[in-house]
Amino acid sequence: TQLLEQSPQFLSIQEGENLTVYCNSSSVFSSLQWYRQEPGEGPVLLVTVVTGGEVKKLKRLTFQFGDARKDSSLHITAAQPGDTGLYLCAGGIPGTSYGKLTFGQGTILTVHP
Amino acid sequence: GAGVSQSPSNKVTEKGKDVELRCDPISGHTALYWYRQSLGQGLEFLIYFQGNSAPDKSGLPSDRFSAERTGGSVSTLTIQRTQQEDSAVYLCASSLRTSGTNEQFFGPGTRLTVL
Repeated sequence: TQLLEQSPQFLSIQEGENLTVYCNSSSVFSSLQWYRQEPGEGPVLLVTVVTGGEVKKLKRLTFQFGDARKDSSLHITAAQPGDTGLYLCAGGIPGTSYGKLTFGQGTILTVHP
Repeated sequence: GAGVSQSPSNKVTEKGKDVELRCDPISGHTALYWYRQSLGQGLEFLIYFQGNSAPDKSGLPSDRFSAERTGGSVSTLTIQRTQQEDSAVYLCASSLRTSGTNEQFFGPGTRLTVL
């Protein structure tokens, strides 16, 4: 059973379209992070959200943490081919070792020119 | 500055052999993590080292897996008597332990193939 469920698992869109990736759980997280990973490389942190209801923007990317700190979303506006990659959400579980993260299974995004 | 490095980048081995994977974290980072990633999937936590504290080994899938961190820096993940289901990318990450975002910096991974 996956503690963090990401949807969709695969997303194939045309350049210029908007998209949203979801990360859901029945558990409360102390913080939630989004990473992006390209083939042959390790994941790179995009953002960390820590407060319920928090919204953070990073250029064309908007991240939201649910009020109850159980879910998060990543919205990309006007997607570009350079956005192609594996997007991973990861949560810190209260009461576990500090720094220990639980990852979702990822969303593979392909943006076609 | 130098990031997290891992070696080898690729390892092909025969079933039943032992393998050692190495991770060099970012200098000064006190926390070090090992993860396993199957093709196109999320990351599975294996083990976490923090300073001189006892490591959190709760993610190791069997007693064939072990890890050491010498001198608070370099870490080695050892898999004994490898099985085909051990084939995956093994990722190492390090971080500064702070009371904030705990950004983890990942290495490029070691792709392990067990024939």
